[in-house]
Parts: sequence; C-alpha cells; structure tokens
Amino acid sequence: NAGVTQTPKFRVLKTGQSMTLLCAQDMNHEYMYWYRQDPGMGLRLIHYSVGEGTTAKGEVPDGYNVSRLKKQNFLLGLESAAPSQTSVYFCASRRDTGVSGANVLTFGAGSRLTVL
Amino acid sequence: GESVGLHLPTLSVQEGDNSIINCAYSNSASDYFIWYKQESGKGPQFIIDIRSNMDKRQGQRVTVLLNKTVKHLSLQIAATQPGDSAVYFCAENMGGGFKTIFGAGTRLFVKA
Repeated sequence: NAGVTQTPKFRVLKTGQSMTLLCAQDMNHEYMYWYRQDPGMGLRLIHYSVGEGTTAKGEVPDGYNVSRLKKQNFLLGLESAAPSQTSVYFCASRRDTGVSGANVLTFGAGSRLTVL
Repeated sequence: GESVGLHLPTLSVQEGDNSIINCAYSNSASDYFIWYKQESGKGPQFIIDIRSNMDKRQGQRVTVLLNKTVKHLSLQIAATQPGDSAVYFCAENMGGGFKTIFGAGTRLFVKA
C-alpha cells in the first residue's frame, strides 16, 4: 500500500516552461488536494477535487491548472512557470466521511520545484 | 520558551518537559480542527483532531484544547522526546468540510 505518490520529486524549470506534477493515490479516496509550501511557511491550498471529473479553486489558484480524469490521479499543471512558483508542492487525499466524520488528509512526500 | 523567529515561531524545550504549541484560527464557522506534524523532508502527518462541540481531546501523550470564544487551539505534548522535533501545524475545515486550511506552523526543538 503506497498511499500518496508524487512524481517527480525534484524538477528545475526555466521561466516560461511548462510542466505537470502527478499525484497518485491507491486508497480509493474521493477527495484530492494540491498545496504549496514556501520556506518557513505553512501550506497554502492551490486547487482541490471532490471527485472524478470535478475541480475547484483554493487559496492561491492563479498560474496553475488541474485535472482529475481518474479517481486515483490528480494532476497539477504549470503552463508558463514563473520564479514565484518555486516551492515544494504537496498532494494530499482523504475519504469522504460526511460532515461529521474525520477529515484527515494523507500527504505525499512532496515535489520540489525550482524555476530559474 | 516561545519566540518568533525570522519565519516560523519556534519553541525550544528540554527533553522530558511538556510542550504547548498555540494556534489562532480565522473562521468562527469552522467546525473541525486538526493538528499535523511535519518532519524535515516529509509531508505532514496527522496527530489529533477535535470537533467544535468539544473543548478537549486526549490522545497518546498529546492533548488538544479548543477555545471557541477566542478562536484558539493548543496542542500539549507530554514528556517531550527528541523524536517530537518537527514543525506543527494546526488546520481548520471550512467550506462545507471540503477545504482544509493550514496555519503558519510552529517549529519545536527538543534539547537532549
């Protein structure tokens, strides 16, 4: 049981290049999330998905796009990378436990992206 | 004691002492709160959670206190160990429970 797997773990881009981060979970979780974490700061929500084929904006969605074509995968895309997008990106997932259940996130190990 | 560093607030404690990490949350409508621990180079991991209809919940060596009047959470770690050294985040659920929003975090150093 791998949990949440992110690829790649490290990537260096030049300004203006595009790339896609892949998140895969094998726990059959309904909800998936992308966060970014900047040095010495907390996690900020970029986009999230409550099910296959659905996505929604989080706190800092600008400059990113996402897709959830399959339940187990959540892709984060940067169409034209900027230095301000240098960060560590974390994917997370959780089950749909209803309004009174435990909304506990399972995180991947992170993907470190540097934009020069 | 607790101090504010250049980035994260930092708490330094002696091994064996109790630690108290504080967090202020923003939305009075949030009804579910979680504490996560993040070790260096890893993703955050769940520690303990609490619903807004409770003011205290205990786990193994950890206790979470919730004060809804002042929108404040605290995480108490008993008999702190070197393995507890990490960054601790509080998080709140809002937006119908779909979105989890994180606080800024506190770095805990445990001195042997």
